[in-house]
Amino acid sequence: DSGVTQTPKHLITATGQRVTLRCSPRSGDLSVYWYQQSLDQGLQFLIHYYNGEERAKGNILERFSAQQFPDLHSELNLSSLELGDSALYFCASSQGSGNTIYFGEGSWLTVV
Amino acid sequence: QKEVEQDPGPLSVPEGAIVSLNCTYSNSAFQYFMWYRQYSRKGPELLMYTYSSGNKEDGRFTAQVDKSSKYISLFIRDSQPSDSATYLCAIMDTGRRALTFGSGTRLQVQP
Repeated sequence: DSGVTQTPKHLITATGQRVTLRCSPRSGDLSVYWYQQSLDQGLQFLIHYYNGEERAKGNILERFSAQQFPDLHSELNLSSLELGDSALYFCASSQGSGNTIYFGEGSWLTVV
Repeated sequence: QKEVEQDPGPLSVPEGAIVSLNCTYSNSAFQYFMWYRQYSRKGPELLMYTYSSGNKEDGRFTAQVDKSSKYISLFIRDSQPSDSATYLCAIMDTGRRALTFGSGTRLQVQP
């Protein structure tokens, strides 16, 4: 158990809908990262937050947004969902920026 | 060209064999190197972390980094069926402080 908690573990939703994925980082970790893993793209970096502030963006679509709250938990919002958004979404955390990064078990999103 | 290249395998070895997994990278800004193990779409589990050229050993695992060649390796000694998983190399971009992953090598250790 890495200590990073993600909910929900699985969800199925229809195209055009909006979902929110939630992440609680390991105790004491200030950085939260979001990654997407699909069969054809592998693990892709989406976004990084450090202590509530956005630090870096990767291949995150404009339909997606994230935030990190004062208690350090983070949410990834996915809107106007398309079939191609079906993937595993991982949250990861680290103490700072550049330290070892630990992953949660992921949220499996299926868009139908 | 991808920033991190990794042979996807699959790689099948008998139990007890020494396994060699490799990645190459193109960006000299990469400074930190990690290996993760992922079981059947579970969360990636951190195995090794290093930031310098040379070898780092942890039990049956040895990570090797050659920055001059932009080449990293993971060796697994006395491989076990429980080592059967996908192994992902991951390299940190010091600018974005985010990991860039290889595509993963699927390893099967036959009992």
